[in-house]
Amino acid sequence: TQLLEQSPQFLSIQEGENLTVYCNSSSVFSSLQWYRQEPGEGPVLLVTVVTGGEVKKLKRLTFQFGDARKDSSLHITAAQPGDTGLYLCAGGTDSSYKLIFGSGTRLLVRP
Amino acid sequence: GAVVSQHPSRVICKSGTSVKIECRSLDFQATTMFWYRQFPKQSLMLMATSNEGSKATYEQGVEKDKFLINHASLTLSTLTVTSAHPEDSSFYICSASWRGGYEQYFGPGTRLTVT
Repeated sequence: TQLLEQSPQFLSIQEGENLTVYCNSSSVFSSLQWYRQEPGEGPVLLVTVVTGGEVKKLKRLTFQFGDARKDSSLHITAAQPGDTGLYLCAGGTDSSYKLIFGSGTRLLVRP
Repeated sequence: GAVVSQHPSRVICKSGTSVKIECRSLDFQATTMFWYRQFPKQSLMLMATSNEGSKATYEQGVEKDKFLINHASLTLSTLTVTSAHPEDSSFYICSASWRGGYEQYFGPGTRLTVT
């Protein structure tokens, strides 16, 4: 069974601070997606990474896919209250259309 | 692009009745649609996967006779919760993807409350 573990589960930080969320597995994935979900809404896709070692930037967010395609990280620089939400990583394989979701990281950015 | 809608956004029903939730891909043809359930402060739990024109594949522990899924076209899938009970109260979210695509695009979710 493929599992994705996210850490930390919950993070409360002050506006302006930096943070990193981790997504780890013992399995290899062909793709890794990151989503952000706000209360009462569906997840919104932030990024997809498919190549080992790949780094993508989305404004203050930096995403990295591990060289072995087993792990990923999301780094937020100078967090803002608008970054508050549930961050989910999800891994995909070529053998299935399904995504394996991590347990999620709940981020609270205090003004 | 890649917009998915869900209807209704909220529904309250009485125990024993059935509720239908619609999921539509508005600007692309969704060869595969997924239905998830989400409990408060938890991640997504996949219920079933449906491909257009074929029967849905249910995850272990999900009752197919209770959660009826129909994927009649490339832009519409429906989830019917039959004989709903209070324990079925939850946030239901659909997603859609197209053949060869890694990503899933999610609808805004439906909050079901069974009284």
